[in-house]
Amino acid sequence: EVQLVESGGGLVQPGGSLRLSCAASGFTFSDHYMDWVRQAPGKGLEWVGRSRHKANSYTTEYAASVKGRFTISRDEPNNLVYLQMNSLKIEDTAVYYCARLGIGVKRASDYWGQGTLVTVSS
Amino acid sequence: DIQLTQSPSFLSASVGDRVTITCRASQDISSYLAWYQQKPGKAPKLLINAVSTLQSGVPARFSGSESGTEFTLTISSLQPEDFATYYCQQLKIYPLTFGPGTKVDIK
Repeated sequence: EVQLVESGGGLVQPGGSLRLSCAASGFTFSDHYMDWVRQAPGKGLEWVGRSRHKANSYTTEYAASVKGRFTISRDEPNNLVYLQMNSLKIEDTAVYYCARLGIGVKRASDYWGQGTLVTVSS
Repeated sequence: DIQLTQSPSFLSASVGDRVTITCRASQDISSYLAWYQQKPGKAPKLLINAVSTLQSGVPARFSGSESGTEFTLTISSLQPEDFATYYCQQLKIYPLTFGPGTKVDIK
């Protein structure tokens, strides 16, 4: 059974840092792209960034709103994907989801974690 | 960036109704479009990818289609468990983008 479990959310002051983790199980972690998607309270979904699979050297892409502040990385032996968030802003307050991309050219996010809440406030 | 617009933003319908939600892309996305369903307090659920490919386990009353840069999600006969918010997402060009969502509520 595919499972994604996020952790690491919490309250942080503006300008601070936080690292979110997503523990993956039930599938071959290195074969799949992984995305982070966030949702501000009462708002829609916003794509944050992507880690491609091992065959693509785990290269990354980011939304303009987080580029230069957020970094996605993987711990392959432990099937973890991280979202390192620096220089946090109030507008980064959201539930953060990790999602697995399916296999194939037109892949979409076929499994999602339950989300972890990040609150940026003084 | 590719902009996705959804219409309507809110829809009130009854059980058994046929429901259609439209997603328009600001440029060609070559069928790289997915639809998700989200219920309050829950993670999104993938319904359809590549415009019309139904995910395993998704009821056949859901279907997707396209005409150029206009994409449609249809629920042929709305069921009580279908009341939710629906989002489209383009997966063609970075940054990936979601539509603003369509909330389907009970009439």
